[in-house]
Amino acid sequence: GENVEQHPSTLSVQEGDSAVIKCTYSDSASNYFPWYKQELGKGPQLIIDIRSNVGEKKDQRIAVTLNKTAKHFSLHITETQPEDSAVYFCAATKGAQKLVFGQGTRLTINP
Amino acid sequence: DAGVIQSPRHEVTEMGQEVTLRCKPISGHDYLFWYRQTMMRGLELLIYFNNNVPIDDSGMPEDRFSAKMPNASFSNLKIQPSEPRDSAVYFCASQVASKVYNEQFFGPGTRLTVL
Repeated sequence: GENVEQHPSTLSVQEGDSAVIKCTYSDSASNYFPWYKQELGKGPQLIIDIRSNVGEKKDQRIAVTLNKTAKHFSLHITETQPEDSAVYFCAATKGAQKLVFGQGTRLTINP
Repeated sequence: DAGVIQSPRHEVTEMGQEVTLRCKPISGHDYLFWYRQTMMRGLELLIYFNNNVPIDDSGMPEDRFSAKMPNASFSNLKIQPSEPRDSAVYFCASQVASKVYNEQFFGPGTRLTVL
């Protein structure tokens, strides 16, 4: 089955700097790669996703890149703000239902 | 819309007791998922339903776990008997069937503690 590895497990950046979180997946058949943000005491919330027919997708300060050959994808957050502090999860799946999540990255934005 | 609703938000029980977690998905959504989140194992899919029918329960850890979806507005996850290692946050999520819009909407979770 699919296996998703996520790094780093914790990340601390200065406000205004960029943050990058990386994930690798094992199943070359996976074709959907969402990123979820989880704030304390809440359920995960989708922030951006990408399909395997696209190499990059951007939405304001966040972007995701996908390298199908290397089977890895990354989340980039620019101009970080205190409200970006949260746990971020990557996921991979064939189809869009049976998500396999990475272990999560705790991002802290230091003012 | 109120989003996905889960109850209770917190549950503390003793080992051996039956536990029932409840979920109301977003109206009109076709898929319902049950996840478990722990520090050790992260976020794991337990089971999911499509149009009230269980599609994949391969993530259900043991026969002690069962889930039902009697109608489009309700699902429950039961653990009987409960054990301390079942302590975790359990999330329910729902999703609309679509080729272009694939977000799973998560509820606030139920924090289960088994003593």
